[in-house]
Amino acid sequence: GAVVSQHPSWVICKSGTSVKIECRSLDFQATTMFWYRQFPKQSLMLMATSNEGSKATYEQGVEKDKFLINHASLTLSTLTVTSAHPEDSSFYICSALRTSGSGQETQYFGPGTRLLVL
Amino acid sequence: GQNIDQPTEMTATEGAIVQINCTYQTSGFNGLFWYQQHAGEAPTFLSYNVLDGLEEKGRFSSFLSRSKGYSYLLLKELQMKDSASYLCAASDSNYQLIWGAGTKLIIKP
Repeated sequence: GAVVSQHPSWVICKSGTSVKIECRSLDFQATTMFWYRQFPKQSLMLMATSNEGSKATYEQGVEKDKFLINHASLTLSTLTVTSAHPEDSSFYICSALRTSGSGQETQYFGPGTRLLVL
Repeated sequence: GQNIDQPTEMTATEGAIVQINCTYQTSGFNGLFWYQQHAGEAPTFLSYNVLDGLEEKGRFSSFLSRSKGYSYLLLKELQMKDSASYLCAASDSNYQLIWGAGTKLIIKP
């Protein structure tokens, strides 16, 4: 099956610092990747859609200057949480869109990155 | 508006069968996905339906009725490891996924 990796899996940082999270599709090319945030016991919240070679599309209410997304290649997207604060502590999950030969598009998820801002 | 409804929580017995229902309303429709998510982990893909009918994959089956805006996930021969949240997601006209809140499935011995 399709494999998507995320790094790091866990990060603890001080308030005011920036944190970069990487999302890689290991065995397929992904023109489109998605970044989600999930609070405890809640469903996934889409933050932004990342398209290779173009600017990310952010969902309403998500600050694009705070959550910087770069999709520099067909296998890598990064999310940088700038000047992180305790309220940014969350579980961040990326997914990569894979298109099959028949045209079916399926999102495959990375394992997630747990961020704790002190 | 766009909306996905699924039960918040269900309980079933090991070895039994459970059906998790999902109703959806979306702007356009390009398929219905089911994902499994264990606590503290990211979701994993279970199934995709775009045509009406039942798709069977081992112990798991998924059904879709496009005219009714309805899907269900059927889990047979339940095992303790099936205890997880099951997320229903509909793909809209822009291929964006509209997510349900998830159904927490508790399996009892």
